[in-house]
Amino acid sequence: QVQLEQSGAEVKKPGASVKVSCTASGYSFSGFYIHWLRQAPGQGLEWVGWINPKSGGTNYTQNFQGRVTMTRDRSITTAYLELNWLQSDDTAVYYCARETRRQESCSDTSCPLYTWLDSWGQGSLVTVAS
Amino acid sequence: DIQMTQSPSSLSASVGDRVTFTCRASQSISTFLNWYQQTPGKAPKVLIYAASFLQSGVPSRFSGSGSGTDFSLTISSLQPEDFAVYYCQHSYNSSSIFGQGTKLQI
Repeated sequence: QVQLEQSGAEVKKPGASVKVSCTASGYSFSGFYIHWLRQAPGQGLEWVGWINPKSGGTNYTQNFQGRVTMTRDRSITTAYLELNWLQSDDTAVYYCARETRRQESCSDTSCPLYTWLDSWGQGSLVTVAS
Repeated sequence: DIQMTQSPSSLSASVGDRVTFTCRASQSISTFLNWYQQTPGKAPKVLIYAASFLQSGVPSRFSGSGSGTDFSLTISSLQPEDFAVYYCQHSYNSSSIFGQGTKLQI
């Protein structure tokens, strides 16, 4: 079955960096984008970005531009999220999730491609405190 | 960026009730809308994709509808395990934004 296993909790000081891993199993790693999201304590879900494991291409939300790097190692089916210049408001549970796609038939004007996050890691708590 | 607004922010209901949550997009997103359920301490789980398609393994008491800017998620008969937080998410372009969530409580 599809599984995403994330690395353990981390405690970091302000200004430091953190690297969270997400190891995939049970499916073809290169065939599905991996998204990263985070959830601050008691708050909602915030999307960080995605990586295409096949090409290494990435897309980051503007809020994290310049501070975030997503990478992958296909040989060990693992994706990574690295976040730099940590501040206290980066304290959150970080999730990886697999994107599944469904291509619909083309109409006169469009060829809809539906995507959703069908499998999630268990989450990695990152705490930033001095 | 497309913004997603959910209402209400919280909702009280009882086992057996029929409940409906709503989600509004700041611009038309066709049917590029997904719904997720999150229970405390757990990762979210997808319920509905493409506005109205039931994810495999999700009970049929869950249903979704809508297109354009207005969407809804309905639970036809609440079960004890349904008390959770529900999020909508758009997948209209290469980015992805979630609504702020609706907490369903007893």
